[in-house]
Amino acid sequence: QVTLKESGPVLVKPTETLTLTCTVSGFSLSNARMGVSWIRQPPGKALEWLAHIFSNDEKSYSTSLKSRLTISKDTSKSQVVLTMTNMDPVDTATYYCARIYLVGATYDYWGQGTLVTVSS
Amino acid sequence: QSALTQPPSASGSPGQSVTISCTGTSSDVGGYNYVSWYQQHPGKAPKLMIYEVSKRPSGVPDRFSGSKSGNTASLTVSGLQAEDEADYYCSSYAGSNESPVVFGGGTKLTVL
Repeated sequence: QVTLKESGPVLVKPTETLTLTCTVSGFSLSNARMGVSWIRQPPGKALEWLAHIFSNDEKSYSTSLKSRLTISKDTSKSQVVLTMTNMDPVDTATYYCARIYLVGATYDYWGQGTLVTVSS
Repeated sequence: QSALTQPPSASGSPGQSVTISCTGTSSDVGGYNYVSWYQQHPGKAPKLMIYEVSKRPSGVPDRFSGSKSGNTASLTVSGLQAEDEADYYCSSYAGSNESPVVFGGGTKLTVL
């Protein structure tokens, strides 16, 4: 059974750095056909792709947020970590991690999401 | 990459069919057969409904179908049921350069 679960702070202050962890089970982060992405959704708004990482450590970032994002993985812990620097209230959103196939950019399993609020 | 364009809303009566469009460019939708559709109910995570333009994951009713013509992909829901009322998002692969995945703005489907 494939599961993904996001964890991290529910509240961060403006200018702080957000660190989110996605813990996966039911598949391995060393699987060459799969990776993990982070996707966010501001309240009442659309999904926004942020970043992904694959087993060979290939990484990609959203063009508009590239300077603020870092994605990494710990295969032994089955965890993918996303950091976002210089948080702003506009970054308030539900952050999802999801499994992506290397071919097709298909997200077949999603975490439940974690709501992060940016406020002083 | 800019977001894919979807109509903000769509509606139909139970039993009817409704089609939701997703328009991109030759750099994303038109350039690859890697369009996916996701259903999202309020407060829930998105659920994969269609992948690679027209393929259905196991467990998704065959009332859901996908297609593509040029830079526009479409999701058709036939035989509308009350539980189909949800937000629907398309996504597309956009190449191996920056922002390789792009989502649509979402369509709220209402079952009248």
